[in-house]
Amino acid sequence: DAGVIQSPRHEVTEMGQEVTLRCKPISGHDYLFWYRQTMMRGLELLIYFNNNVPIDDSGMPEDRFSAKMPNASFSTLKIQPSEPRDSAVYFCASRPPGDASTDTQYFGPGTRLTVL
Amino acid sequence: LAKTTQPISMDSYEGQEVNITCSHNNIATNDYITWYQQFPSQGPRFIIQGYKTKVTNEVASLFIPADRKSSTLSLPRVSLSDTAVYYCLVGDSLGTGFQKLVFGTGTRLLVSP
Repeated sequence: DAGVIQSPRHEVTEMGQEVTLRCKPISGHDYLFWYRQTMMRGLELLIYFNNNVPIDDSGMPEDRFSAKMPNASFSTLKIQPSEPRDSAVYFCASRPPGDASTDTQYFGPGTRLTVL
Repeated sequence: LAKTTQPISMDSYEGQEVNITCSHNNIATNDYITWYQQFPSQGPRFIIQGYKTKVTNEVASLFIPADRKSSTLSLPRVSLSDTAVYYCLVGDSLGTGFQKLVFGTGTRLLVSP
């Protein structure tokens, strides 16, 4: 299996532009997570989906952020409009079906976003 | 939401055993303890998970005392490639069999020759 795939790996954009980050989870996994990592705040959970349905988006910083999962093999995180403070590494992770005793999340390589 | 406390950084030398202790005083009955490892420019990687007593796999051992208010990750004979940030997490049990993981600041381990 190729693991969790994220694109692009690096994104540089200007303030005010729309940014779309993409994620392909591991086949057969039923949970998908979006995280953001910065030096100041560490690794933060933004939103997660179960069977393509958003379950908890309480970590999404504000209305400029939105996430979708149209099918089991694809998810997007969109920032519109982007701001310099959104600069961070964004990780996507997926989890196979199971219970809490086997709770393992598989992370993608991340997308490093720089907003100028 | 159970919070965790772990040292910010640790230093070691190749071949030594490293023990990283994590405190989680308000761990709930249904919560599991999970450790992740993160190398620079990579996403976190699952190392080990346990509920009580001792768990061992090919990478590490996890020791959990009876009161479960702390846990210790043990890395035997570390090498330079074990230099990474190690996160201790206690799942926020939702009672549904799934735990939302909350990452803290982690412990930055530096292994020197």
